Amino acid sequence: EAGVVQSPRYKIIEKKQPVAFWCNPISGHNTLYWYLQNLGQGPELLIRYENEEAVDDSQLPKDRFSAERLKGVDSTLKIQPAELGDSAVYLCASSPGTVSYEQYFGPGTRLTVT
Amino acid sequence: QKEVEQDPGPLSVPEGAIVSLNCTYSNSAFQYFMWYRQYSRKGPELLMYTYSSGNKEDGRFTAQVDKSSKYISLFIRDSQPSDSATYLCAMSGTGRRALTFGSGTRLQVQP
Repeated sequence: EAGVVQSPRYKIIEKKQPVAFWCNPISGHNTLYWYLQNLGQGPELLIRYENEEAVDDSQLPKDRFSAERLKGVDSTLKIQPAELGDSAVYLCASSPGTVSYEQYFGPGTRLTVT
Repeated sequence: QKEVEQDPGPLSVPEGAIVSLNCTYSNSAFQYFMWYRQYSRKGPELLMYTYSSGNKEDGRFTAQVDKSSKYISLFIRDSQPSDSATYLCAMSGTGRRALTFGSGTRLQVQP
């Protein structure tokens, strides 16, 4: 069974530029999460989707971050404009369904903003 | 104060040793407890998943949860150099589903 797929793996951009990350969850997983991980820290939730619906986006900085999950499968996380402090690893995770708390993570996208 | 506290290490042990990794937490609503292993420049990998208090064993790994003390542990028996990684504890309460992570403990197993 294929795991969570993320692309790109690495991205370097200048501040004020836009950037987008893509995630394909494990097949059949209805719940999708985006987390942010700073160096030396654990991941922190940005947004959670149940199918197409964003059900927990309270930690998403909505002035510059946006996300979508069309058709309840793939998801895209966007930052516009990027700031220096956005440099981090952006992790996507998926979960089998609404009754499961196990989450499976992708390899992450390492963003560097210069 | 963070909801989940975890000693960052590094913890260095000789090959074959028993490793004990621990987390404390403050939120009594946490019911689901997980341990993840994260290698450098990789995503977290789920190792153990337990619900409420008690023990769970899987191969060389044993997870313990003591909800009365708000304390969870991961034991690794017969540690191997390949176990060298950062170990993250994570937990969630019923309903919210988002995981709250510790900051991770870096483990080094010396051959």
